[in-house]
Amino acid sequence: GENVEQHPSTLSVQEGDSAVIKCTYSDSASNYFPWYKQELGKGPQLIIDIRSNVGEKKDQRIAVTLNKTAKHFSLHITETQPEDSAVYFCAASPWGQNFVFGPGTRLSVLP
Amino acid sequence: EPEVTQTPSHQVTQMGQEVILRCVPISNHLYFYWYRQILGQKVEFLVSFYNNEISEKSEIFDDQFSVERPDGSNFTLKIRSTKLEDSAMYFCASSESTTQGEQYFGPGTRLTVT
Repeated sequence: GENVEQHPSTLSVQEGDSAVIKCTYSDSASNYFPWYKQELGKGPQLIIDIRSNVGEKKDQRIAVTLNKTAKHFSLHITETQPEDSAVYFCAASPWGQNFVFGPGTRLSVLP
Repeated sequence: EPEVTQTPSHQVTQMGQEVILRCVPISNHLYFYWYRQILGQKVEFLVSFYNNEISEKSEIFDDQFSVERPDGSNFTLKIRSTKLEDSAMYFCASSESTTQGEQYFGPGTRLTVT
């Protein structure tokens, strides 16, 4: 089955700097890759996603890149703000079902 | 903005007792899911549900678990005889379709088994 790894497990950046979180997946059948942000005591919130037919997607300060050949995808957050502090999870799935999540990255944005 | 809701927010139960966790998915969504997250660990898929039947389930979803859509709005997860290791956050999610992909998660129910 699918296996998703995520790095780093923790990440601290200064406010205004960029943050990059990387994930790898194992199943070449996976074609949908969402990123979720989880704040303390809340459920995961979808922040951006990418499908296997594109290599990059951007939404304001957030971007995701996908390399299907290498089976890895990354989340990029630019101009980080304190409210970006949270745990970020990547996931992979075929056709949007049965998400397999990565272990998460705790991002701290320091003022 | 429509959202997935879950009740209760926190449930404490004794080992061996049955619990029912409730979810109200987004109204026009057709696909429903349960996930769990043990404290400090990643989110794990339990089960997906469509057209009043289970589409897919994980190894975690054994005979102690069941799901039901008792009416047009609620989606429930029942654990028949809880064990200590069932203590976790349980998240319900829903999606409009599988080809769309986006799943929207509820705020979760924290289940504590003592």
